Amino acid sequence: GAVVSQHPSWVICKSGTSVKIECRSLDFQATTMFWYRQFPKQSLMLMATSNEGSKATYEQGVEKDKFLINHASLTLSTLTVTSAHPEDSSFYICSAARAENLGTIYFGEGSWLTVV
Amino acid sequence: QKEVEQDPGPLSVPEGAIVSLNCTYSNSAFQYFMWYRQYSRKGPELLMYTYSSGNKEDGRFTAQVDKSSKYISLFIRDSQPSDSATYLCAMSYGGGADGLTFGKGTHLIIQP
Repeated sequence: GAVVSQHPSWVICKSGTSVKIECRSLDFQATTMFWYRQFPKQSLMLMATSNEGSKATYEQGVEKDKFLINHASLTLSTLTVTSAHPEDSSFYICSAARAENLGTIYFGEGSWLTVV
Repeated sequence: QKEVEQDPGPLSVPEGAIVSLNCTYSNSAFQYFMWYRQYSRKGPELLMYTYSSGNKEDGRFTAQVDKSSKYISLFIRDSQPSDSATYLCAMSYGGGADGLTFGKGTHLIIQP
């Protein structure tokens, strides 16, 4: 079964509104989670590293004020897309790894965001 | 030059054939190498991971890493139509402690 869960699976929002996506590790604690974005027929691109109890680290070119990340607990990270625009429409995916086995990096099922 | 190069395909083979997928990379600092399978509109599913150079086998899947050539491979034996998907290679410096760098993915089609 899934070890990383995302919610919602898909969401449609109006331009200018904000959308929150949740990522949970189900049976392990994750001090670090990662957020990726994938456009159609493209690969996954790392957006940011979510750190429990501290600020997220963003990749070059990713607006931290637009993509707010909160890692409030060891099993939950949230990504909020603020003032969404149609060009933000994409597939957003989170990942987490078990601390005792750094090679086993699991991904959530992803969240499809459509901004209209 | 991109950090990770992967032929997007599509790669079409008959059922039962051995499939060979591969990636090349440029950053010698990568230590963890993974292969993921992704079905349309779904999150990636971890197939295998390898730390540093070497081979690893799991059922019908074999992963190979040649750090000297900066080349990694995934072999699928006795391929099945259900193996049809996009296969992504990924790598990182510190495994789960770092974000992954992905290839573009190879679209694999197994013909019944």
